[in-house]
Amino acid sequence: DARVTQTPRHKVTEMGQEVTMRCQPILGHNTVFWYRQTMMQGLELLAYFRNRAPLDDSGMPKDRFSAEMPDATLATLKIQPSEPRDSAVYFCASGAPGGHQETQYFGPGTRLLVL
Amino acid sequence: SQQGEEDPQALSIQEGENATMNCSYKTSINNLQWYRQNSGRGLVHLILIRSNEREKHSGRLRVTLDTSKKSSSLLITASRAADTASYFCATDAGFGNEKLTFGTGTRLTIIP
Repeated sequence: DARVTQTPRHKVTEMGQEVTMRCQPILGHNTVFWYRQTMMQGLELLAYFRNRAPLDDSGMPKDRFSAEMPDATLATLKIQPSEPRDSAVYFCASGAPGGHQETQYFGPGTRLLVL
Repeated sequence: SQQGEEDPQALSIQEGENATMNCSYKTSINNLQWYRQNSGRGLVHLILIRSNEREKHSGRLRVTLDTSKKSSSLLITASRAADTASYFCATDAGFGNEKLTFGTGTRLTIIP
């Protein structure tokens, strides 16, 4: 049963600390998305990759957030330094290649609390 | 800003009844999707309807799309307790662009 995995599932940290979230997309999928979900803002797209190349990171605060895909099986989202306003659930999603494969498959999320 | 806005924000119905949720969006789309999110979980894709389609069915789900009104509806028939979740519509940014913009969601509660 292919699924997107994310680690860690929960993270509590103190303001100023670096946070790294990891995502393993479904094998064979060539698009990866990072979202942030909060009660106030809902689900926001932070960044997205196709074939490991970043295509859009306009939703991401550039001064503290960075997203990378070191290889096809790993995507990372880093926050440095973290701030309390970064507290949210961060989701990774992947999508299959093909002209009409727009469906996204979401991971279980990383629940981040910055104190 | 959110492309899609769901209505109502919250809906409670008795088990066995039908649930209808609506989504409005602002710009032209290639397709519209509906996703479900159970509490504490990731989103799960339910159904996709293309801009040249008006209605689509999948099991107990029925989706309609009216591109002239920039709106869609999701009907869940014969609701079950397991249907309790938040439901989101998502619109794309055009063919060849996989970005999705999600609406604010409808929180559906099925009362046993």
